[in-house]
Amino acid sequence: DSGVTQTPKHLITATGQRVTLRCSPRSGDLSVYWYQQSLDQGLQFLIQYYNGEERAKGNILERFSAQQFPDLHSELNLSSLELGDSALYFCASSVASRRGGITDTQYFGPGTRLTVL
Amino acid sequence: AQSVTQLDSQVPVFEEAPVELRCNYSSSVSVYLFWYVQYPNQGLQLLLKYLSGSTLVKGINGFEAEFNKSQTSFHLRKPSVHISDTAEYFCAVSRSGNEKLTFGTGTRLTIIP
Repeated sequence: DSGVTQTPKHLITATGQRVTLRCSPRSGDLSVYWYQQSLDQGLQFLIQYYNGEERAKGNILERFSAQQFPDLHSELNLSSLELGDSALYFCASSVASRRGGITDTQYFGPGTRLTVL
Repeated sequence: AQSVTQLDSQVPVFEEAPVELRCNYSSSVSVYLFWYVQYPNQGLQLLLKYLSGSTLVKGINGFEAEFNKSQTSFHLRKPSVHISDTAEYFCAVSRSGNEKLTFGTGTRLTIIP
């Protein structure tokens, strides 16, 4: 158990719909990352938040957005869903102490499997 | 930008035989290197990492990897595999701590009894 939790575990929805995936990082971790794992694209970085602010963006579609809340949990919003958005979405967190000092290891949650029909 | 190449998409190995999973990376700057394992229907678990120092890195479950700067490689090895090692293995690189991981396409390790 990495200490990172993601809900829901599975999500089945229809094209055109909007869903929200939730991630709770390990206690004390300030950085949250979102990754997408699909058969054709592999594991791709989507976006990173650090202490509530967007820090880095990867291959994230404009239909997708994310935020990190004051309690450090994060949500990934996917809208106008298409069949190709079906994938496993992972959240990861890493320690970046408010006092400085950064660690290098990202701990991954179990993922949310999204199926768009 | 960094990139990672895992040349073998599938590797079948007999139980108790040794295994090597290959990983090559490309980067214009120094990087951190990682191996993650994904068991069926589970998330990613860190096996080992190379940040600096000794080029031979030992990880969990008896795995080790060797960083070779001249060949830009970070191959993963285990001297004797077990059925429970059946999983997908991902090599990854990041430019520094607190930055995104760039993953290879993964190698599916299948252990033959």
